[in-house]
Amino acid sequence: DQQVKQNSPSLSVQEGRISILNCDYTNSMFDYFLWYKKYPAEGPTFLISISSIKDKNEDGRFTVFLNKSAKHLSLHIVPSQPGDSAVYFCAASADFNKFYFGSGTKLNVKP
Amino acid sequence: DTGVSQDPRHKITKRGQNVTFRCDPISEHNRLYWYRQTLGQGPEFLTYFQNEAQLEKSRLLSDRFSAERPKGSFSTLEIQRTEQGDSAMYLCASSWTGDNEQFFGPGTRLTVL
Repeated sequence: DQQVKQNSPSLSVQEGRISILNCDYTNSMFDYFLWYKKYPAEGPTFLISISSIKDKNEDGRFTVFLNKSAKHLSLHIVPSQPGDSAVYFCAASADFNKFYFGSGTKLNVKP
Repeated sequence: DTGVSQDPRHKITKRGQNVTFRCDPISEHNRLYWYRQTLGQGPEFLTYFQNEAQLEKSRLLSDRFSAERPKGSFSTLEIQRTEQGDSAMYLCASSWTGDNEQFFGPGTRLTVL
């Protein structure tokens, strides 16, 4: 049973516009959430995280929003750049020991 | 470069053979994780170590899988009697306790013929 779901396998946006990547989770015990970015032939790299005590965390062009009641989080990238083209994974943890990953969303930013 | 390294990057083997992968974490990290990733899926947790102690194993980790971290530094993941269903990318990550950002290696891609 997949506890973290990314229902959009792919997303295409124009350079300079906003990219919104979504993630849903089922386990109400999750209290820490992360986003990773993955380029081909490389391991995932950490992008941004959020604790359940917050509903928003911002780092430069990247903002993560958390809606606990809906068990939903989203990653906003503004403005999108061609170098942002990658696969994005969301991940969640209840105990800071074990992390559950979604299946990923492939973002394509068109010049 | 002091990132996480994995060896080999690719492994092709025949069904029934044993394979062993190595992971060298970032030197000051005391936690080490193994994940498996199949096509179109995200990384699936297999097991993790804190120093040399293996603290948790996933139900996905059958008896054919064993992992060690003998001196709390590098780790090995062995798969015995490989099956075609074992074909996947095996990822290693490391972190420091209390710091939830995991640093991933490039992975070892296993193909079982």
